Formats: sequence, C-alpha cells, structure tokens
Amino acid sequence: EDQVTQSPEALRLQEGESSSLNCSYTVSGLRGLFWYRQDPGKGPEFLFTLYSAGEEKEKERLKATLTKKESFLHITAPKPEDSATYLCAVLGGSGGSNYKLTFGKGTLLTVNP
Amino acid sequence: EAQVTQNPRYLITVTGKKLTVTCSQNMNHEYMSWYRQDPGLGLRQIYYSMNVEVTDKGDVPEGYKVSRKEKRNFPLILESPSPNQTSLYFCASRWGGNGNTEAFFGQGTRLTVV
Repeated sequence: EDQVTQSPEALRLQEGESSSLNCSYTVSGLRGLFWYRQDPGKGPEFLFTLYSAGEEKEKERLKATLTKKESFLHITAPKPEDSATYLCAVLGGSGGSNYKLTFGKGTLLTVNP
Repeated sequence: EAQVTQNPRYLITVTGKKLTVTCSQNMNHEYMSWYRQDPGLGLRQIYYSMNVEVTDKGDVPEGYKVSRKEKRNFPLILESPSPNQTSLYFCASRWGGNGNTEAFFGQGTRLTVV
C-alpha cells in the first residue's frame, strides 16, 4: 500500500525566513509525485509534478526536489500570502491501479509579517 | 476557463434523506475521483472513474454511490446519509494520457448530516 508522510505537521515562519517541508513516501512504481497548495475551505491547487529522482521544479519562491524516498518543498524568503496547507501526493502502480493519488496529511504553513 | 464545478457548496441535511452532490468538468478528462477531507485524516479517496461507465471503489466507499454516464459528469450519491458522513468533499479530474498527470480539484462541498 502506498504511503505518504509529511513533516512537520505545522510550521510557523517569519516573513523572509526560508525553510523546507518534507514528504517521505513508499510506493510501488512511482509514476509521479505532486505538490498542492490548499487554502482553508478551498480545493487543492496544483503546484508541481516530479517524475524521477534528481528532478527539480521552481515557481516563484517555491522549489520542489525529489529523491528515491522523499521530496522537499523549499520556500525561499516567504511572504504572508504563502500561508496555506501544502499537500504532497504520489501516484503509484501498487495493486495494478494507476489511478489513485495517495495524499499526505499536509503541512500547515503560517508566515508572520 | 478550465474548471471542475461542484454543487452545492454547502449542504445541511438530516439522517437518512438521500442526496446527490454533482460534479462537472469541462476539460474532457478521462479520470474523475471523489475525496473526503477530515481533520487529522487528510484527503481520502471515495470512488474513482477511469472513463464513462467504468468506476471503482477507493479507500472509503461505504455509504456512497457514483455513476459515470457522461464523460463530463460524476455525481456522488448518499442514499441514506449518516452523521459520520459529515465532511468536506472534493471532486477531481485529470487527463488520461499516460496516466500520470496532475489532478484538478473542485471548490469543495461542505456537508453536515444532523
């Protein structure tokens, strides 16, 4: 069974204080790892897809990296508007199904001005 | 605008009264899914569909039904809702392609069963 563990559960930063969120996973045949941002009461918003170890993607203050066992979401000089829950999900081939995204429980990021 | 639309956004109902939450996507996606999100449990898949007339159970299917008669629509049916189905529900869709594309989510439906 595919599993995704995100840490920390919650992270509080000062504006401009860079940090990283972790996503550890176990999956049979990784077909993709996805990062989403979710604001309270809203649907997850897609950020990045990573397909293979060593791959990196960047968007504004966010950078996602992938190894064979985990992914990191690096946040450089965050702003208060970056406050949200960040979700990690994997798409694997376990059980013969390529159709299920398995989500972690998320990291609640708060950036104080 | 490419989007996944759920209705209603908010619903309060009583135990046992059948209800349907609609989901529609305008991106011609093959795959559609329903999730529920509960505090401390994260997003859990209820049902998914690979294409028209093809559906399968996710992790928490008990008490729910789905149908996929048209490619764009994937309604979630609660035949006899119970208070433990109080939750935030999300519909998602993604392109088939090679099977590893990102999912697009609807705005969510907050359901309360009293």
